[in-house]
Amino acid sequence: AQKITQTQPGMFVQEKEAVTLDCTYDTSDPSYGLFWYKQPSSGEMIFLIYQGSYDQQNATEGRYSLNFQKARKSANLVISASQLGDSAMYFCAMREMGNKLVFGAGTILRVKS
Amino acid sequence: DAGVIQSPRHEVTEMGQEVTLRCKPISGHDYLFWYRQTMMRGLELLIYFNNNVPIDDSGMPEDRFSAKMPNASFSTLKIQPSEPRDSAVYFCASSFGGGRGDTQYFGPGTRLTVL
Repeated sequence: AQKITQTQPGMFVQEKEAVTLDCTYDTSDPSYGLFWYKQPSSGEMIFLIYQGSYDQQNATEGRYSLNFQKARKSANLVISASQLGDSAMYFCAMREMGNKLVFGAGTILRVKS
Repeated sequence: DAGVIQSPRHEVTEMGQEVTLRCKPISGHDYLFWYRQTMMRGLELLIYFNNNVPIDDSGMPEDRFSAKMPNASFSTLKIQPSEPRDSAVYFCASSFGGGRGDTQYFGPGTRLTVL
């Protein structure tokens, strides 16, 4: 079974608008971490934001926020005020016990001017 | 601060040749991870080390792959002999701590092409 599901293969957003990238996860471990990474066309993997399963507040980092709905097992990434430089592939990942980071298939985001 | 350093950035080789990928983790990080990214399989963990000791190599595809970490600042991933299906981007990542909330920071990757 897929542990991380990203249902949107590709998304378009108008520059300066907000966009939500979906991520659902599957785990029976009560303690886990959720991460989002950005992979631009240059290929590097850039860490964006982290949410712990016991965190009461949704994580925020600048224009990035994580809409964490534990009961629904979703951890959607919200990017506010999109910029052209936000065009990239975005990966949701989960880390359970054992230190393994499991990645979703990714969502390609294209920001239109 | 320097991030994770990988070399070479690109490698083109012929089937049957030995390939060695190199990684220098962020100073002070005690965990090191090797990942492979392909279109078909996405990002897969191959092996990881804690304090230079291999902990889990269950993701290593077969005996042709081997990884070492002789010291805290250097690791290698070797493929011998290489095959066309090994063509992929190989990432090294490191973290301080192995907890669920400890962020892994990735290197720029090595794009391997096996002809």
